[in-house]
Amino acid sequence: GENVEQHPSTLSVQEGDSAVIKCTYSDSASNYFPWYKQELGKRPQLIIDIRSNVGEKKDQRIAVTLNKTAKHFSLHITETQPEDSAVYFCAAVQGAQKLVFGQGTRLTINP
Amino acid sequence: DTAVSQTPKYLVTQMGNDKSIKCEQNLGHDTMYWYKQDSKKFLKIMFSYNNKELIINETVPNRFSPKSPDKAHLNLHINSLELGDSAVYFCATKIGGTDTQYFGPGTRLTVL
Repeated sequence: GENVEQHPSTLSVQEGDSAVIKCTYSDSASNYFPWYKQELGKRPQLIIDIRSNVGEKKDQRIAVTLNKTAKHFSLHITETQPEDSAVYFCAAVQGAQKLVFGQGTRLTINP
Repeated sequence: DTAVSQTPKYLVTQMGNDKSIKCEQNLGHDTMYWYKQDSKKFLKIMFSYNNKELIINETVPNRFSPKSPDKAHLNLHINSLELGDSAVYFCATKIGGTDTQYFGPGTRLTVL
């Protein structure tokens, strides 16, 4: 089955700097890669996603890149703000629409 | 925020008890899921239903029994609760033929 590895587990950056979170997946058949943001005590919320036929996608300060050959994808947040502090999860969809999540990255933005 | 709802929000109970948590969605989605988030924040799928039919059943103890009475509801019944069952349980939904899953607010279960 699919296995998703996510790094780093914690990330601390200065406000205004960029943050990058990286994930690798094992199943070359996976074709959909969402990123979720989870604030403390809240539900995971989709912030951006990418499909396997696209190499990069951007939405304002957030971008995701996908390297199918290497089986890794990354989340890039530019001009970070305090409200970006949260736990971020990458995921890959395998087979019957089963989301397999990475271990999560706790991002802290320091003012 | 009320598109996917779960009840109760918090559940505190003793070991050995039987409890149920409920999920309801008014999005008209075809597929519903249960995920478990443990104390280390790791999110793992448990079950998935599509149009009331069980399609994903991960290696979950048979003390956990999902039930979908209709497309809008997915319940999770847990027998003989154990300390290790303490977690946040999230319901999620998806439109058939699409990929995006929408999560409910979660139910925090604490087993004492």
